[in-house]
Amino acid sequence: DADVTQTPRNRITKTGKRIMLECSQTKGHDRMYWYRQDPGLGLRLIYYSFDVKDINKGEISDGYSVSRQAQAKFSLSLESAIPNQTALYFCATSDSRGTGETQYFGPGTRLLVL
Amino acid sequence: SQKIEQNSEALNIQEGKTATLTCNYTNYSPAYLQWYRQDPGRGPVFLLLIRENEKEKRKERLKVTFDTTLKQSLFHITASQPADSATYLCALAGGYQKVTFGTGTKLQVIP
Repeated sequence: DADVTQTPRNRITKTGKRIMLECSQTKGHDRMYWYRQDPGLGLRLIYYSFDVKDINKGEISDGYSVSRQAQAKFSLSLESAIPNQTALYFCATSDSRGTGETQYFGPGTRLLVL
Repeated sequence: SQKIEQNSEALNIQEGKTATLTCNYTNYSPAYLQWYRQDPGRGPVFLLLIRENEKEKRKERLKVTFDTTLKQSLFHITASQPADSATYLCALAGGYQKVTFGTGTKLQVIP
């Protein structure tokens, strides 16, 4: 969905490096999410934010941090990357005024930690 | 703990037939159930949403049923086409809570 963009799209990094993944949206949604996807494990929620001043841990937040710089921007940081953080990362948005928390996903960032 | 189960085995069907995918859940009382389509290397795309008080929802060739007694949703694609080949995810949302996704079922439509 072009309304939700993620940068970079692909990234290779080394163990111990700090890395930031960025997400921007033009949908005007107040809620934003970071997921990771691994084969056989599906989408797992890392962090979510219901508005600019709200940050919540998801089911797998250890080793990650986030920043909601504005309503339209939500970044995910790996302070010290490790190989088991190799995965496909998705940002998503939803509108609290909408129905059923329908999620709109970005194109994903493929991260490889060596 | 909450659990969502989708058939992890791929579903292969012949073009023109109806594909039926299953989503079962436990320890959950969702207000909404959603279905998404995901193509390889791309983000999931929302298809349909059904509320807990609805039994069935249709959109073009897609039909979703929701049985809160059985804790099950069925997702049907009628007159399937090779372009329908993808992974289909079900997701549950309770009120204003975050969404929980199943692991998805891969559908392959054979010409």
